[in-house]
Amino acid sequence: GAVVSQHPSRVICKSGTSVKIECRSLDFQATTMFWYRQFPKKSLMLMATSNEGSKATYEQGVEKDKFLINHASLTLSTLTVTSAHPEDSSFYICSASPSGIGETQYFGPGTRLLVL
Amino acid sequence: AQSVTQPDIHITVSEGASLELRCNYSYGATPYLFWYVQSPGQGLQLLLKYFSGDTLVQGIKGFEAEFKRSQSSFNLRKPSVHWSDAAEYFCAVASGDSSASKIIFGSGTRLSIRP
Repeated sequence: GAVVSQHPSRVICKSGTSVKIECRSLDFQATTMFWYRQFPKKSLMLMATSNEGSKATYEQGVEKDKFLINHASLTLSTLTVTSAHPEDSSFYICSASPSGIGETQYFGPGTRLLVL
Repeated sequence: AQSVTQPDIHITVSEGASLELRCNYSYGATPYLFWYVQSPGQGLQLLLKYFSGDTLVQGIKGFEAEFKRSQSSFNLRKPSVHWSDAAEYFCAVASGDSSASKIIFGSGTRLSIRP
């Protein structure tokens, strides 16, 4: 099956710094990718839809200036957590599917962010 | 708006016993339904999906799910669980079957296996 990778797998940063998380589709092109956030022992919450070549679409309640999304190519989307604070600590997961109809979404392994 | 409810937060079953995880959805049109499994600290793996056709869907690892429109349910079943099945299970619904369709997840059911 298709593979989606994320980098880094885990990151620790100081409060106030920015952190960039990459999501790559390794063997297919994806015009759309999705970013989710998962709190411990909780479900996945959809944060935004990343659209190649255009602005991301954010879900209600998600701060677009806090979570910057860039989908610069058909295989790469990045999520930048700006001015991170401890409450931004979470597990961030991306997903993507080959462009088309009836395609399964494949999920990345996730990135664990810890803000001190 | 579409939503998914998984009424059981945590289920424990004995190894070798049968399993059924409940899922109810709310969606006005034809739903596209999924079951995913997540091991601790890992990403999600698709177990099975229902888009159309036969309402009994076979998935990987011996899992199956049945779509019942009249009950708005998509319960996951396995006839005999193995210790390796211990994980978090998520039911999900999408508004369409295109690659741009958003997926909304249920709250998850944690499965523990009793030796």
